[in-house]
Amino acid sequence: AQKVTQAQTEISVVEKEDVTLDCVYETRDTTYYLFWYKQPPSGELVFLIRRNSFDEQNEISGRYSWNFQKSTSSFNFTITASQVVDSAVYFCALSEAGRGAQKLVFGQGTRLTINP
Amino acid sequence: EPEVTQTPSHQVTQMGQEVILRCVPISNHLYFYWYRQILGQKVEFLVSFYNNEISEKSEIFDDQFSVERPDGSNFTLKIRSTKLEDSAMYFCASGGLPTDTQYFGPGTRLTVL
Repeated sequence: AQKVTQAQTEISVVEKEDVTLDCVYETRDTTYYLFWYKQPPSGELVFLIRRNSFDEQNEISGRYSWNFQKSTSSFNFTITASQVVDSAVYFCALSEAGRGAQKLVFGQGTRLTINP
Repeated sequence: EPEVTQTPSHQVTQMGQEVILRCVPISNHLYFYWYRQILGQKVEFLVSFYNNEISEKSEIFDDQFSVERPDGSNFTLKIRSTKLEDSAMYFCASGGLPTDTQYFGPGTRLTVL
């Protein structure tokens, strides 16, 4: 069965600090996909990144970076030099490969508050 | 940039009433999904839909729920007889391929009184 755990329920930092959001997943499949979505106070779900299980290269996009480690089943997300606009709930999600439409299994989310 | 749209943004209904939530997926996408998020909780999968039939449904998606793609653009979620516990944000999502990124609509907040 698939499972995603985001152990950090809430994180609060001061602007310009770096912050890392943890995500640990469980799956029996060898082929799977990992995602991060951002949910700002307005409520929509904004896609941030998708990685497949065969690509363990870390990725950087501006102030955002992702560290995928299969050995520890983790897909952590770091925001460098955080800004107030980064305040949101962040969800990590997993989908397995297979025939047909593949559902996303979400973690509980981490509420990130960036204080000025 | 193409996006998923949902109507209405907010629906208030009385317990026992039927509601239909509407979604217009991204036009060249083939895979459609409904998720729900009870206030303050995680996003939960309800149902996936491809080629005019349900691919998978969760335990939440009982006989009170149904989905339909009535024409080439709309994708609807119907709740036949709403309960208080159906109050949640309902998100529609679409994807081009089975394991492609799913893009979400802005959600419909359903309040059952």
